[in-house]
Amino acid sequence: GAGVSQTPSNKVTEKGKYVELRCDPISGHTALYWYRQSLGQGPEFLIYFQGTGAADDSGLPNDRFFAVRPEGSVSTLKIQRTERGDSAVYLCASSSHQASTDTQYFGPGTRLTVL
Amino acid sequence: GIQVEQSPPDLILQEGANSTLRCNFSDSVNNLQWFHQNPWGQLINLFYIPSGTKQNGRLSATTVATERYSLLYISSSQTTDSGVYFCAVAQGGSEKLVFGKGTKLTVNP
Repeated sequence: GAGVSQTPSNKVTEKGKYVELRCDPISGHTALYWYRQSLGQGPEFLIYFQGTGAADDSGLPNDRFFAVRPEGSVSTLKIQRTERGDSAVYLCASSSHQASTDTQYFGPGTRLTVL
Repeated sequence: GIQVEQSPPDLILQEGANSTLRCNFSDSVNNLQWFHQNPWGQLINLFYIPSGTKQNGRLSATTVATERYSLLYISSSQTTDSGVYFCAVAQGGSEKLVFGKGTKLTVNP
């Protein structure tokens, strides 16, 4: 597709459960980012991939959060033992990481609700 | 880390009015983007503008990097301009965007 896509668009789960959120970046984009947005706030950085490797995971809140990008394209954000405080919109972005422009393009997000 | 402040936090306009949104940041940056988040939550790129001036239709933006601020101008506003406008920056050596809290714009018919 032309833009960043994310699935599912909505996810409702129970406290303590495991969830996986998927991101398909723009074709050819080597850089991929995950952000989290709580109600009324701006997005907050979680993790950044360059190719297959996590180049910066300083935004992951704790070890319940993990992300992978095994083939340098699709990425999955994994959350173990979900807590109610994890409820938020999880946004994925990608960029071509060229020197002339580092524009990050965002997907529509996955709204996660932990009951 | 770098701080990003946006003003005003809320803005209500009548259709046809012009407006200026401001973004101040606390340190030098090598990436600055303006986004419009529509009522459905989609973040739409408006400008990539770490310095200089750009225009796109009724919207224009100016970043004065040496003074650490950026301005977004909206002319002849329309109801479809409603939503939240975010400024986001990244510093040299870091790829992560740091977002401000946004300006919520409401354009009334």
